[in-house]
Formats: sequence, C-alpha cells, structure tokens
Amino acid sequence: ELKVEQNPLFLSMQEGKNYTIYCNYSTTSDRLYWYRQDPGKSLESLFVLLSNGAVKQEGRLMASLDTKARLSTLHITAAVHDLSATYFCAVDRDDKIIFGKGTRLHILP
Amino acid sequence: EAQVTQNPRYLITVTGKKLTVTCSQNMNHEYMSWYRQDPGLGLRQIYYSMNVEVTDKGDVPEGYKVSRKEKRNFPLILESPSPNQTSLYFCASRDLDVQYFGPGTRLTVT
Repeated sequence: ELKVEQNPLFLSMQEGKNYTIYCNYSTTSDRLYWYRQDPGKSLESLFVLLSNGAVKQEGRLMASLDTKARLSTLHITAAVHDLSATYFCAVDRDDKIIFGKGTRLHILP
Repeated sequence: EAQVTQNPRYLITVTGKKLTVTCSQNMNHEYMSWYRQDPGLGLRQIYYSMNVEVTDKGDVPEGYKVSRKEKRNFPLILESPSPNQTSLYFCASRDLDVQYFGPGTRLTVT
C-alpha cells in the first residue's frame, strides 16, 4: 500500500531563514508532485519530479527527489512572508495519486 | 483560458438526497480525477479516469459514483449523501505530468 508522510506538519519560521520540508513515501512511484494551497483556494502545481536525482527550482523554492531513499525535499531559501501557505507532496503510482497531509508554513515578518 | 470548472461551488443538502457535482475541463486532457479534502487528512483521491468510459477507484470511493461519457466532463455523483461526506471536493485534470485543479466545491450534508 502506498503511503506518503510529510514532515513537519506545521512550521513557523522567520523571514530570511532557510528550511526544508520532507516527503517520504513507501513504495516505488512514477511521479512526485509538489503543490501549494493558499487559505480558501485551490491547489497550484509547483513541481513534478520524475527521476532519481531530479532537482527543480523556482524562485526561493527548490525540490529534489531521491528514489532510492523514497524521499523528496522542498527547500525554502531566505523565506519571505508571501511563501506562507500549505504545501503538499503527492505520489503517483500507476495513475493512482496519494497526497501527504500537508505542511502548513507560516512565515513571520 | 485553460481551466477546470466545477459546479456548484457551495452546496448544503440533506441526508439521502441525490446530488451531482459537475466538472469540466477545456484542455483536452485524458486523465481526470476527484479528491476530497478534510482538515488534517490532506487530499484523498475518490475516483479517477484515464479516458472516456474508463474509470477506476481511488483511495476513498465508497458512497460515490462517477461517469465519463465525454472527454471534457467528469461528474461526481452522491446517490445517498451522508453527513460524513461533508467535505471540500476538488476535480482535476492532467496532461502528461501537470495536474490542474478546479476551484473546489464545499459540500455540507445535514
């Protein structure tokens, strides 16, 4: 059974600091996604990671994938208040998609 | 504009009264999916569809039905809603790798 665990579930951090959100999954996967959700809004696609060692970056966010460790990370560099949101990872195996519970990120000015 | 639309956006209904939430996409995507989002549980996949007339159960299909008669539409049907189906529902469609989500439907079953 495919399970996805995110850590931490809640993170409060100061502007300007760096931090990492972790996403562990239990079996092999075809794709790993990262999404952002603002309060009361829908989900916005951030990254899709397909292969071992894949790294993608957009602004202050960088996502990586280690398929051998079944681990993806979302790294936030020099956080700014606008990045406050809930971040989800999701794993796609045979077109069935399982989400982590989400990491609620609160960035203090 | 490329988009996924859902209707209604908000719905309050009573136990046992059949309802349908519509979902439509204008991107010619083959893959479509329904999710429910509950506090502390993240999103859970209800059903997905690889193409017209092809549907499969996700993680939490009990109490739901879907159909895919046309590529653009993927309605979610609750034949006899119960209070534990009170939730926020998202429809999504996917091209090769990117999944696009609709705005959500907030359903309350009393």
